[in-house]
Amino acid sequence: KQEVTQIPAALSVPEGENLVLNCSFTDSAIYNLQWFRQDPGKGLTSLLLIQSSQREQTSGRLNASLDKSSGRSTLYIAASQPGDSATYLCAVGRPEKLVFGKGTKLTVNP
Amino acid sequence: NAGVTQTPKFQVLKTGQSMTLQCAQDMNHEYMSWYRQDPGMGLRLIHYSVGAGITDQGEVPNGYNVSRSTTEDFPLRLLSAAPSQTSVYFCASSWTLTGELFFGEGSRLTVL
Repeated sequence: KQEVTQIPAALSVPEGENLVLNCSFTDSAIYNLQWFRQDPGKGLTSLLLIQSSQREQTSGRLNASLDKSSGRSTLYIAASQPGDSATYLCAVGRPEKLVFGKGTKLTVNP
Repeated sequence: NAGVTQTPKFQVLKTGQSMTLQCAQDMNHEYMSWYRQDPGMGLRLIHYSVGAGITDQGEVPNGYNVSRSTTEDFPLRLLSAAPSQTSVYFCASSWTLTGELFFGEGSRLTVL
């Protein structure tokens, strides 16, 4: 059974800092990995989607990497801003049955 | 751009009552799914559909029913509500099985 772990559960950083969020998974037979952002009381917003054949994806200040062999993904956020404060979740697995991590709650302090 | 629309946003039920959570998407997505999100448990898949007329169970299907008569709609039915079904429910859709997943804003359900 696929298990997804996100460490740390919470992270607080000063504005402007570069940071890395981690996601690890137990079954490397994945189709893709997705990173999402969730604001309080809201739904999830897709940030980056990495297909299993890819190593990384970039969107603006965000860069996500995927290492299937080690069962790890990282989400790099450059020059963090207070508006980046949210919970970040990763999801992996079979296409029709994604398994989500419990998320990392990020707080960026002005 | 409506995207994925869920109704109602909030609902309070008594134990034993039934209700339907509605989900509609206007992106012509084939894949649709329902998740529940509980503190400390993360998001768990309830049911999913890979196209009209095709549904299957996820990780936590007991107590829930789904049908997919059209591409656009994927309602989730609670047959006899229980306090354990108190949760936030999210509907999601994507163009393909391996595509980007789009979520609705969620439906917060409380069962007394």
